[in-house]
Amino acid sequence: EVQLVETGGGLVQPGKSLKLTCATSGFTFSNAWMHWVRQSPEKQLEWVAQIKAKSNNYATYYAESVKGRFTISRDDSKSSVYLQMNSLKEEDTAIYYCTRTDYWGQGVMVTVSS
Amino acid sequence: DIQMTQSPPSLSASLGETVSIECRASEDIYSNLAWYQQKSGKSPQLLIYYASSLQDGVPSRFSGSGSGTQYSLKISGMQPEDEGVYYCLQGSKYPFTFGSGTKLEIK
Repeated sequence: EVQLVETGGGLVQPGKSLKLTCATSGFTFSNAWMHWVRQSPEKQLEWVAQIKAKSNNYATYYAESVKGRFTISRDDSKSSVYLQMNSLKEEDTAIYYCTRTDYWGQGVMVTVSS
Repeated sequence: DIQMTQSPPSLSASLGETVSIECRASEDIYSNLAWYQQKSGKSPQLLIYYASSLQDGVPSRFSGSGSGTQYSLKISGMQPEDEGVYYCLQGSKYPFTFGSGTKLEIK
């Protein structure tokens, strides 16, 4: 059974950092291209970042709204993908999903507020 | 960025009715389009990929079509469990972009 489980969310002040983890199982993670997608309180989905596989040199791509502040990474030995979020803004408040596009995690809430 | 214009924003359908949802891309996305269903409090579920390929386990009443900049999702025979919000996603060019969603309810 494919599983994706996100952890690391919470309440954080503007300007601070947070790191999300997505632990996966049930598929060959090392071959997978993984994404982070977020959903705002207004329910709009926004693609955040992608990391490709080792065979693609772990290429990464970002939404303009997070470029330079967020970093996606992966550890194939742990079948996990990460999202390091720095310089957080109130508009980053959202549910963050880890996804392979066909399988999605349950999401983790990130609230940025003073 | 490629803009995805999704319509209608909301839709009410009777049991057994056929419904269609449209997504128009601001440029050719070469069928790199997926459709998702999201039920309240749940993660999005993939229905259709590459514009017209049915994801495993998805009922055959769901179908996708289109090419170029125009795409549609059809539900042939609305069922109560089809209530939810539907989103399109283009994966042709970075950054990937979603449509704004269509809320589908039973009439």
